[in-house]
Amino acid sequence: SQKIEQNSEALNIQEGKTATLTCNYTNYSPAYLQWYRQDPGRGPVFLLLIRENEKEKRKERLKVTFDTTLKQSLFHITASQPADSATYLCALGRRQLTFGSGTQLTVLP
Amino acid sequence: EPEVTQTPSHQVTQMGQEVILRCVPISNHLYFYWYRQILGQKVEFLVSFYNNEISEKSEIFDDQFSVERPDGSNFTLKIRSTKLEDSAMYFCASSLRGPSSYEQYFGPGTRLTVT
Repeated sequence: SQKIEQNSEALNIQEGKTATLTCNYTNYSPAYLQWYRQDPGRGPVFLLLIRENEKEKRKERLKVTFDTTLKQSLFHITASQPADSATYLCALGRRQLTFGSGTQLTVLP
Repeated sequence: EPEVTQTPSHQVTQMGQEVILRCVPISNHLYFYWYRQILGQKVEFLVSFYNNEISEKSEIFDDQFSVERPDGSNFTLKIRSTKLEDSAMYFCASSLRGPSSYEQYFGPGTRLTVT
């Protein structure tokens, strides 16, 4: 069955540093991979989508890479701020999204 | 900025009762979805809906569940006979149609508590 793993349940970094979150998957060949942000008690918020034929996508301080050979996506937040503290979810698919369990990022001032 | 809205924000019901969760998707969106998230667990896909019919559904979406678009703005999820394990946060989402429009916009959720 499809399996998605996000590197760690929790990640703490200092303000101003780059946060790197990992999403690995098995038994799946997604054409699309998406990243969402979820704050406690709220719905996921779309951040970025990357297609299988794209190596990298950027949006402001966010960057996502997609390596279909390694079956891995990396999500980077540069110049991190305390307001970036949230849970970040990796999701595979187009319409029927399969979510990972998320990485809880805390940016320390 | 347009957003997905959901009502109620919290619903408490007794086991065996029927519940209807309501959603108003973003007005020009054509795909609608329901997801659920049991406390502390992953967000799980339930069903997608397009052109007035179900386009995909997961194993979770059994005969106890149904969806409907009763008018031009609302999208509902009905659970016929709730079980304790149906307690979860239920999220509605919507997206545009077309190959460049797979990002989904989620509502704030309805917390369903089955006692």
